[in-house]
This record gives sequence, C-alpha cells and structure tokens, in this order.
Amino acid sequence: EVQLVESGGGLVKPGGSLRLSCAASGFTFSSYSMNWVRQAPGKGLEWVSSISSSSSYIYYADSVKGRFTISRDNAKNSLYLQMNSLRAEDTAVYYCARKLIYFDYWGQGTLVTVSS
Amino acid sequence: EIVLTQSPGTLSLSPGERATLSCRASQSVSSSYLAWYQQKPGQAPRLLIYGASSRATGIPDRFSGSGSGTDFTLTISRLEPEDFAVYYCQQYGSSVTFGPGTKVDIK
Repeated sequence: EVQLVESGGGLVKPGGSLRLSCAASGFTFSSYSMNWVRQAPGKGLEWVSSISSSSSYIYYADSVKGRFTISRDNAKNSLYLQMNSLRAEDTAVYYCARKLIYFDYWGQGTLVTVSS
Repeated sequence: EIVLTQSPGTLSLSPGERATLSCRASQSVSSSYLAWYQQKPGQAPRLLIYGASSRATGIPDRFSGSGSGTDFTLTISRLEPEDFAVYYCQQYGSSVTFGPGTKVDIK
C-alpha cells in the first residue's frame, strides 16, 4: 500500500525557517517524481515544487522561488522541503504527492503556521 | 502560466441528481493533461480523472470526464451522499496549475 506521511510542520515566526519531511513507503520511491502542494486555510490548492526521480530536474512556483528548496534522499525514501524567510502568506497545509504525470497519491498533510 | 477557471463556484444539488462541473483553461492544455480531484473537509485530495477522461483506480463509473483543448467537464451521473465535496481541476501539461474549485453541496 502506498503511504506518504508528512512531518515537520508547526508554528514559526515571520522570517523563520522550517524543514518539512515526507516519508514514503509501499512503492519504489526512487522511480517517481515527487511534489509539494499547499493549501491555505479555506483556500484552494497551490503547487509549490517538483523534483524528478534522480533530482536532476527541480522546479518551483514563483511564490516560493529563492526561499524554498526541495530535495530527496532515495536511500531513505524521503522527500524534503526546506522553507526559509517564511511569510504569513506561507501559512498552509503542505502535502507531498507522488507524480505519475498526474498526482496519484497524496499524504495527509502537515500544517505550517507563520505568525508572530 | 495556464490559468484554470472553474464554474460554477458552488453547485447545490440533491442526492440522485446529475452534476456537471466545468473547467476552462486560458490556453490549450496539451495532450489532454487535465486531471480532476475530489477533496472532502480535513482530507487530502483524491485523484478521480486523469488524461481528461480516464478514471483512476477504484473510482466509480458514475464519475466521467470529457473535453479537450481549453474546455473540460466532470460529470457525476447520480450523486451519492459521499460525493458532496469540493472538486478541483488541474493541468499538468505546462508546469502545474489548479483551478479554484467547485463545491458540490446538498440542496
């Protein structure tokens, strides 16, 4: 069974940093591109970042470019999102999602709150 | 960036009725790289339809997708109680963007 479990969310002050993790199981993690998608409270879905299976291709939404860094460790079946210079508008539930062209499996999400 | 517009914003229907949800793209979506997701409160999105018209694994056949180019439709033939949720379209042909969602609620 495919499982994606996010962790690392919490309350952080504006300008602070946070590192999210996504632990994958039930599939060959190293064969899939992975993504982060976020959802602000009461709002819609926003794609954040994508990383190819071997980390060769990395993409970011303009809203996070230069502040967030996506990475993965295929030996540990884990996906990461390093978030720096956090702003109030980064407050959201962050989901990791497996990409098979479309996003076929999603984790349950981890809440990041940016507030003083 | 391809912008997706969904209509209506909210659809109020009764169980057993037919739901028709629209998704329009600002530019043509290549190779029908268009997906639909269902999201219930407090849950992650669930893939329903990919490639504009292919149902994902385990999705009931009352859900169907159609369309091409810039106009796409998700149809739920007969609404079941568990179908009341928010539905998002997504294009993945040029970067990734999501529509703002259509909420299907009980009339």
